[in-house]
Amino acid sequence: GQNIDQPTEMTATEGAIVQINCTYQTSGFNGLFWYQQHAGEAPTFLSYNVLDGLEEKGRFSSFLSRSKGYSYLLLKELQMKDSASYLCAVKNAGGYQKVTFGIGTKLQVIP
Amino acid sequence: DAGVIQSPRHEVTEMGQEVTLRCKPISGHNSLFWYRQTMMRGLELLIYFNNNVPIDDSGMPEDRFSAKMPNASFSTLKIQPSEPRDSAVYFCASSLEREYSETQYFGPGTRLLVL
Repeated sequence: GQNIDQPTEMTATEGAIVQINCTYQTSGFNGLFWYQQHAGEAPTFLSYNVLDGLEEKGRFSSFLSRSKGYSYLLLKELQMKDSASYLCAVKNAGGYQKVTFGIGTKLQVIP
Repeated sequence: DAGVIQSPRHEVTEMGQEVTLRCKPISGHNSLFWYRQTMMRGLELLIYFNNNVPIDDSGMPEDRFSAKMPNASFSTLKIQPSEPRDSAVYFCASSLEREYSETQYFGPGTRLLVL
């Protein structure tokens, strides 16, 4: 089975940098997603990591360490609109590639 | 291109009534997922279809829930009879199998309240 852990809430200041961590335990691994979900809206895709290392996409970066079962999402130059929940999701290997979502980290950006 | 389309966006019903949720996946996608999201349990997979065939329905709570996908462009999730504990947001998502990441794209969701 899958077990995904991420903090439930975080607060950060506008213009700052914030790192949201995700640890996972899985019987098979075939990639990790980060999704952003604004209140009352659907999750939207942010990033996908399947190999170790850092993937940068504008103000957002995602890191993966498969040996440690660890990922983080880094948000730079925080804006008020970044206030949202951030969902870590793991795709397992074999059979069909089921994606299991973490509970999400609710980020509040304050002035 | 249109994204995943879901209807209705909001549904309020009374306990015991039948509820039908509808989904149109992104054209060309061959995988479709139904999820339920609550504060306590987060996003849970209910059922997964591939090429219109149900592959994994282990997340369907009980016999009151059923899902169909009669063709590549339409799926329904039915709850009969509905209960207050079914109140949640139900999302449909679609993806393209064998695309690099098989990223799932979510519809806007149906907010269901069972009184």
